[in-house]
Amino acid sequence: DAKTTQPTSMDCAEGRAANLPCNHSTISGNEYVYWYRQIHSQGPQYIIHGLKNNETNEMASLIITEDRKSSTLILPHATLRDTAVYYCIVRIRTDSWGKLQFGAGTQVVVTP
Amino acid sequence: EAGVTQFPSHSVIEKGQTVTLRCDPISGHDNLYWYRRVMGKEIKFLLHFVKESKQDESGMPNNRFLAERTGGTYSTLKVQPAELEDSGVYFCASSQVRGRYNEQFFGPGTRLTVL
Repeated sequence: DAKTTQPTSMDCAEGRAANLPCNHSTISGNEYVYWYRQIHSQGPQYIIHGLKNNETNEMASLIITEDRKSSTLILPHATLRDTAVYYCIVRIRTDSWGKLQFGAGTQVVVTP
Repeated sequence: EAGVTQFPSHSVIEKGQTVTLRCDPISGHDNLYWYRRVMGKEIKFLLHFVKESKQDESGMPNNRFLAERTGGTYSTLKVQPAELEDSGVYFCASSQVRGRYNEQFFGPGTRLTVL
């Protein structure tokens, strides 16, 4: 699976949009971009994923560049509960769906 | 619908002892995964079951670790004998084999401390 690069940390003001970048310049055509987060003392939580089109769900939006070499996760209105480590993961699709390869992620701190 | 559950939530044992962790996946999920985070490190994959079969065990650190999933339902991860470096948080996750998203649902983890 392709490697991803994320900033180590970022701060965001409560109520503002949080834009989390991720570089995945070696991504191949059949690899998906997944985002998970881990709130302190909890298990990781799925947020969203995409292949090449932009995606939106009740939690976030995912913007993937046309060349697919980078993406941005957008939390439209950050709350204090969004403070967590966010992981961008590139993953190939297989018949049974395999492992997730977590990197260091981005520590997001939402401040009042 | 109940989520992924793990037992115990915490375990403190001495070096050389045996510990067994249990994971109950979401009902109907054939995929079951084990991960762990040791102190200061990233979350690492250990093992993947599809039903009762081991699909990928490339992340198992050594033969002190034994995972089972008899009957394709719950799974256990036994560490025998435990070493100090085994301390960390062990996560279990489950997902459907066929599905549009293959969202992995994680349990809350078992915090293992080896003294």
